[in-house]
Amino acid sequence: GAGVSQSPSNKVTEKGKDVELRCDPISGHTALYWYRQSLGQGLEFLIYFQGNSAPDKSGLPSDRFSAERTGGSVSTLTIQRTQQEDSAVYLCASSLGTNLINIQYFGAGTRLSVL
Amino acid sequence: DQQVKQNSPSLSVQEGRISILNCDYTNSMFDYFLWYKKYPAEGPTFLISISSIKDKNEDGRFTVFLNKSAKHLSLHIVPSQPGDSAVYFCAASARNRDDKIIFGKGTRLHILP
Repeated sequence: GAGVSQSPSNKVTEKGKDVELRCDPISGHTALYWYRQSLGQGLEFLIYFQGNSAPDKSGLPSDRFSAERTGGSVSTLTIQRTQQEDSAVYLCASSLGTNLINIQYFGAGTRLSVL
Repeated sequence: DQQVKQNSPSLSVQEGRISILNCDYTNSMFDYFLWYKKYPAEGPTFLISISSIKDKNEDGRFTVFLNKSAKHLSLHIVPSQPGDSAVYFCAASARNRDDKIIFGKGTRLHILP
């Protein structure tokens, strides 16, 4: 597609359930990033991928959070046993990852509400 | 440890005047800086960037200034227009290290009629 696509756009779940959030990056972009924006907060870095590997997972809040990327393209962010504090907008971005002009292009996000 | 700081959560500016958004950083390894704009219910969109080898970059109504010695950058919008009302994020990266980009918490800009 032309831009970064995220699905679902909205997700309402019950506390304790697992959720999967999907990101389709721009074709040809090798770097992929996940961020979280809680209400009234800035962009919190979660994890980024260069190809299929994740050089930096330092932002994942707990071991309930995991992410994978297969085929150097689609990425899935999984949150297990969701808690109310996980409620936020989860944003995905991709970039060429050339280390030269590293401009990220964002999707519209997935708004997660944990009841 | 916040490496990119936007100390003003919000800013109100009269239409037609200059808007100045500020950003400070702590990591001297940062060599590339970006500004993103975000409207509600949308993802951030890239606005303008600057490399550390420059101290100014201009694109239409938008100019970014970089003061490396002070570890400070600013975004100037002139003249401000109603459509500029949005949240502006400052971001930085150390390109010789990795592709990670660190964002500030954002400044909400209100353009007043």
